[in-house]
Amino acid sequence: TQLLEQSPQFLSIQEGENLTVYCNSSSVFSSLQWYRQEPGEGPVLLVTVVTGGEVKKLKRLTFQFGDARKDSSLHITAAQPGDTGLYLCAVEYGNKLVFGAGTILRVKS
Amino acid sequence: NAGVTQTPKFQVLKTGQSMTLQCAQDMNHEYMSWYRQDPGMGLRLIHYSVGAGITDQGEVPNGYNVSRSTTEDFPLRLLSAAPSQTSVYFCASSPSPGLTGELFFGEGSRLTVL
Repeated sequence: TQLLEQSPQFLSIQEGENLTVYCNSSSVFSSLQWYRQEPGEGPVLLVTVVTGGEVKKLKRLTFQFGDARKDSSLHITAAQPGDTGLYLCAVEYGNKLVFGAGTILRVKS
Repeated sequence: NAGVTQTPKFQVLKTGQSMTLQCAQDMNHEYMSWYRQDPGMGLRLIHYSVGAGITDQGEVPNGYNVSRSTTEDFPLRLLSAAPSQTSVYFCASSPSPGLTGELFFGEGSRLTVL
């Protein structure tokens, strides 16, 4: 079983729609990161959440860390084609950063 | 701003051949790591290093060797390639893997083993 479960695995929506993707675990973490990966490139960090219940906003993206620090969500408002990519959550586990399998988002114009 | 540089970007090998994927970073980061990315499985850690002369195994180390003789370089060696090693490989570095550590990734190396 994976340490982090991401859902949905794949999401295809029209430009302008809202969406939420999830990152869940049964373990408690001190922090959680979200990365976005565009085709042919490496992942790039979007945000790090540290405190239970924390909400961070990055333009149209809203990230929330669960109160119990076991899960996180990413909400995108009015999605645009430029939001297309693979969204990965990751947590520190010892000296390692462990990733979920990711959510592939496709935004159609 | 070079960041993390991986070479080659593409490589095709025959089963049993050996090769080295090169990774170099110019940010003076102590922490470096190698991941492989396969469809539906996200990024899986192969090996990592917390500093020159120190390496350790990740989640999927079998079939791969690493060394860290300098802070800048962290090559990944495949001693006898197998079709199961067909994947996209990413090198990443960080000033620290700690609480607020961010991983900086290279652009990836796509390896096909026939």
